[in-house]
Amino acid sequence: NAGVTQTPKFRILKIGQSMTLQCAQDMNHNYMYWYRQDPGMGLKLIYYSVGAGITDKGEVPNGYNVSRSTTEDFPLRLELAAPSQTSVYFCASRPYGTEYGYTFGSGTRLTVV
Amino acid sequence: GQQVMQIPQYQHVQEGEDFTTYCNSSTTLSNIQWYKQRPGGHPVFLIQLVKSGEVKKQKRLTFQFGEAKKNSSLHITATQTTDVGTYFCAGNAGKSTFGDGTTLTVKP
Repeated sequence: NAGVTQTPKFRILKIGQSMTLQCAQDMNHNYMYWYRQDPGMGLKLIYYSVGAGITDKGEVPNGYNVSRSTTEDFPLRLELAAPSQTSVYFCASRPYGTEYGYTFGSGTRLTVV
Repeated sequence: GQQVMQIPQYQHVQEGEDFTTYCNSSTTLSNIQWYKQRPGGHPVFLIQLVKSGEVKKQKRLTFQFGEAKKNSSLHITATQTTDVGTYFCAGNAGKSTFGDGTTLTVKP
């Protein structure tokens, strides 16, 4: 059981470039989330999904896009990268039902230069 | 919107001392969850509290949920070097909001 898998683990982007951060889970979880964590700070919700075909904005969605075509995959797209998007990005998932905690991936460390 | 605040931001202790972090919400919560993030790692789910006044224990860790369901605490008894990391609470009032965490360092 792999849990939540994120790729790549590290990436350096130039200003204005685009990229997709991949997230896949094999636990058949309905809910999936993207968070960013700036140094010394907490987790800020970017986007989330309650099931395939359904996505919604979180606290800090500007500059990002997501899609959820399958239960397993929830990629995060960065368009026109900016230095302010330098951060660690975590994908998380959980089953339906509020009694369950989040399972996090190991993160993608992104630097925009 | 909902705000979740944690104090202190940092705590440095000598090994064997106790440690407590507090989490306060601006709104009444349906539940609260606690996570631990080791340095360079990802958050790992520790526990969830649901009932008013609930107390749960995991070995040296004691978690409490306030009577008004707006605050919570995590207490570690006799810290060890393996306890280092950042402890986050996540308050659920329809949506989960994470606090900024308390970073614990333990001096051997």
